[in-house]
Amino acid sequence: DAGVTQSPTHLIKTRGQQVTLRCSPKSGHDTVSWYQQALGQGPQFIFQYYEEEERQRGNFPDRFSGHQFPNYSSELNVNALLLGDSALYLCASSLAGRGSEQFFGPGTRLTVL
Amino acid sequence: AQSVTQLGSHVSVSEGALVLLRCNYSSSVPPYLFWYVQYPNQGLQLLLKYTSAATLVKGINGFEAEFKKSETSFHLTKPSAHMSDAAEYFCAVSDRQRTVGNEKLTFGTGTRLTIIP
Repeated sequence: DAGVTQSPTHLIKTRGQQVTLRCSPKSGHDTVSWYQQALGQGPQFIFQYYEEEERQRGNFPDRFSGHQFPNYSSELNVNALLLGDSALYLCASSLAGRGSEQFFGPGTRLTVL
Repeated sequence: AQSVTQLGSHVSVSEGALVLLRCNYSSSVPPYLFWYVQYPNQGLQLLLKYTSAATLVKGINGFEAEFKKSETSFHLTKPSAHMSDAAEYFCAVSDRQRTVGNEKLTFGTGTRLTIIP
């Protein structure tokens, strides 16, 4: 059973560009969450998708947007990249329900130059 | 808003010694609590979770944690450290929401565990 997969593994962009990160959830999971982990920090919640809708959002600007597809996979889009967007972006999947554990993918390392 | 405090950004213990990583939460209602481990250049792996009345929770790799409501704590312990335990450990909380699709995790800043041979 494949776990959570993310692509690409690494990405280098320049300021002002746009980027799309992709996530496939663990089989049987219907909820996808995205987190940003800056170097030396804990993951910060960006947003969560369930039933193809954004259900909850963290303290991130509108430059960060997402989508969930009917097969539960998800994309994270970041527009007008800033140097401060350099981080590890983690996708986590879960089965909707209180207290359900989130399974994390290996992450996408984004570097903005 | 919920928050998590992990005391000690770096902890070093000798191989075979007790591991104790501290986590305190701030919430008016006892939340769901989780401990995750992150190895270099990898994602997060769940060690254990607290979601019910059982206050002592056993996880993988010999780790366990005790939920203490009076102290708002959820400290992680392991009786005997192994070299393979060297990693970054994160405590996290989520609300006891009633609506599905709203189980965001709020993480602490992490504790780096070093094992001394």
